[in-house]
Amino acid sequence: DVKVTQSSRYLVKRTGEKVFLECVQDMDHENMFWYRQDPGLGLRLIYFSYDVKMKEKGDIPEGYSVSREKKERFSLILESASTNQTSMYLCASSSPGTGNEKLFFGSGTQLSVL
Amino acid sequence: KQEVTQIPAALSVPEGENLVLNCSFTDSAIYNLQWFRQDPGKGLTSLLLIQSSQREQTSGRLNASLDKSSGRSTLYIAASQPGDSATYLCAALFSGAGSYQLTFGKGTKLSVIP
Repeated sequence: DVKVTQSSRYLVKRTGEKVFLECVQDMDHENMFWYRQDPGLGLRLIYFSYDVKMKEKGDIPEGYSVSREKKERFSLILESASTNQTSMYLCASSSPGTGNEKLFFGSGTQLSVL
Repeated sequence: KQEVTQIPAALSVPEGENLVLNCSFTDSAIYNLQWFRQDPGKGLTSLLLIQSSQREQTSGRLNASLDKSSGRSTLYIAASQPGDSATYLCAALFSGAGSYQLTFGKGTKLSVIP
């Protein structure tokens, strides 16, 4: 089975801190995604990557950056954490193809910014 | 703007009942539609994926259908069990969307009462 692992289940950070969220997948997937999920707003795409060192902005990239130095690892960076970035962060991966590729998610990181 | 809507937001049924969850989308030009399950505080698990050329997919007690002309998909759960209690989300991959960007509904929270 595909495994997408997020390094932390819960994180508590202070306003202004630089925060790194790590995600690793073990199925050699080209595509990787970062979402945030908030009550009433659903899932929103922050950034995605379809190859090493490639990145594309999603719907809400402001305040975030990403890094993909290796195929299996996709990191989300909060340059200067703010309270409105308190959220559940979900990483996902998929293989490229013709539209029949399931999306596999990690267990999520619940980030609280105080 | 392409949108995916799930109504109702919450549903409660007695154990053993057959039930249908609804998903509607605004653009009939889709590549595929996925149904996911999310348990509280966890990531999403892909249940079924229907390609645009298909009308339905089945897995165990689950059956998902797709009607592009009416902009609707349904997830049918037979003989519901308390373990089916979770939030169910649908997500559409629209034609022309860049790099596999799924559009998610906000989910239906299902409670199966013993």
